[in-house]
Amino acid sequence: AQKVTQAQTEISVVEKEDVTLDCVYETRDTTYYLFWYKQPPSGELVFLIRRNSFDEQNEISGRYSWNFQKSTSSFNFTITASQVVDSAVYFCALSEAITGTSYGKLTFGQGTILTVHP
Amino acid sequence: EAQVTQNPRYLITVTGKKLTVTCSQNMNHEYMSWYRQDPGLGLRQIYYSMNVEVTDKGDVPEGYKVSRKEKRNFPLILESPSPNQTSLYFCASIPLASGRYNEQYFGPGTRLTVT
Repeated sequence: AQKVTQAQTEISVVEKEDVTLDCVYETRDTTYYLFWYKQPPSGELVFLIRRNSFDEQNEISGRYSWNFQKSTSSFNFTITASQVVDSAVYFCALSEAITGTSYGKLTFGQGTILTVHP
Repeated sequence: EAQVTQNPRYLITVTGKKLTVTCSQNMNHEYMSWYRQDPGLGLRQIYYSMNVEVTDKGDVPEGYKVSRKEKRNFPLILESPSPNQTSLYFCASIPLASGRYNEQYFGPGTRLTVT
């Protein structure tokens, strides 16, 4: 069975601080996909990134960066120079490849509430 | 505009009063599913559908029904809602036939309160 753990329930930082959100996953599949979503106070889910299990290159997009390490089953997300607009709930998620028995389903972590204070 | 729509967006109801939350997508996607989001639990899949007339249970199906009579629509039915079904609900779709099976398109969410 798949499992995603976000051990940090809530994080509070002051603007301009860097912050890292941790995500650890469990799966028996060799091919899988990892995701991060942002949920602002308005409630919708905003897709941030999708990474397949064969691509361990780190990714940077503006102030956002992701560190994927298969050896530790982790897919951590760092926000550099945080801003108040980054305040949201962030979810890490995992899905199987199409050869799996439950492909299509996303297994989500519990979410991390990030509050950035001015 | 390609999108997944849900109605209503907000609903307050009473225990036992049957309700339906509609989900519709205009992208001709084969796969559709419902999730519920609860604090500390993340999102969990309720039901999913691989195509018209093909539905199956997800992780938390108790108390819910679904149907898939048309490709675009996937309503979620609560025949006798209870307070423990108070939650934020998301509908999602995936374009399986195109091979982009890991592109999830989420609806805006429906916040349901059962008193």
